[in-house]
Amino acid sequence: GQQLNQSPQSMFIQEGEDVSMNCTSSSIFNTWLWYKQDPGEGPVLLIALYKAGELTSNGRLTAQFGITRKDSFLNISASIPSDVGIYFCAGLIYGNKLVFGAGTILRVKS
Amino acid sequence: NAGVTQTPKFQVLKTGQSMTLQCAQDMNHNSMYWYRQDPGMGLRLIYYSASEGTTDKGEVPNGYNVSRLNKREFSLRLESAAPSQTSVYFCASSAARGAGELFFGEGSRLTVL
Repeated sequence: GQQLNQSPQSMFIQEGEDVSMNCTSSSIFNTWLWYKQDPGEGPVLLIALYKAGELTSNGRLTAQFGITRKDSFLNISASIPSDVGIYFCAGLIYGNKLVFGAGTILRVKS
Repeated sequence: NAGVTQTPKFQVLKTGQSMTLQCAQDMNHNSMYWYRQDPGMGLRLIYYSASEGTTDKGEVPNGYNVSRLNKREFSLRLESAAPSQTSVYFCASSAARGAGELFFGEGSRLTVL
């Protein structure tokens, strides 16, 4: 079946740093989405991308739909402590099948 | 706003016991989903219901059954629980099938001993 390779698996952030993560696949997707999950909560949609090459921002978050339709990137600028959590990419294929990546865990450097 | 409500939030079962996870949404969404989340594996789709009266298998349906009781409610049943079903279960809904924009509940943590 389709698989999404999300990287990095985890990372540590220091307040003020920029963060980047990405998702790649061998399959073509029609829509890419990014979700964030806080501890003890369900995932919440951050950004949805519908066209190849699309670049979309939501506050300090910026995401891009890769030209090949096989990848997507999420950047967080000037990170703050509440950015910690798990970030999931998800790809929509054939209009009804949503596949999730394994997630990137964001932690705070101590 | 309640959104998607799941019950129970926590449950411990013994192997072979049965139970039902309940889910209700108040957003008048057509589509509803059940996912399980395991460490390092992301979210995997168990079953979904594109609209009232229809249900379809997802990626990992074995050992589960579902019922779309009405437009608001979608339940997940474990007939004979196994330790491999220890997981966190999430119900989600979306306005339209294939939209990809899901609203999730807070999750139900199930442990099977």
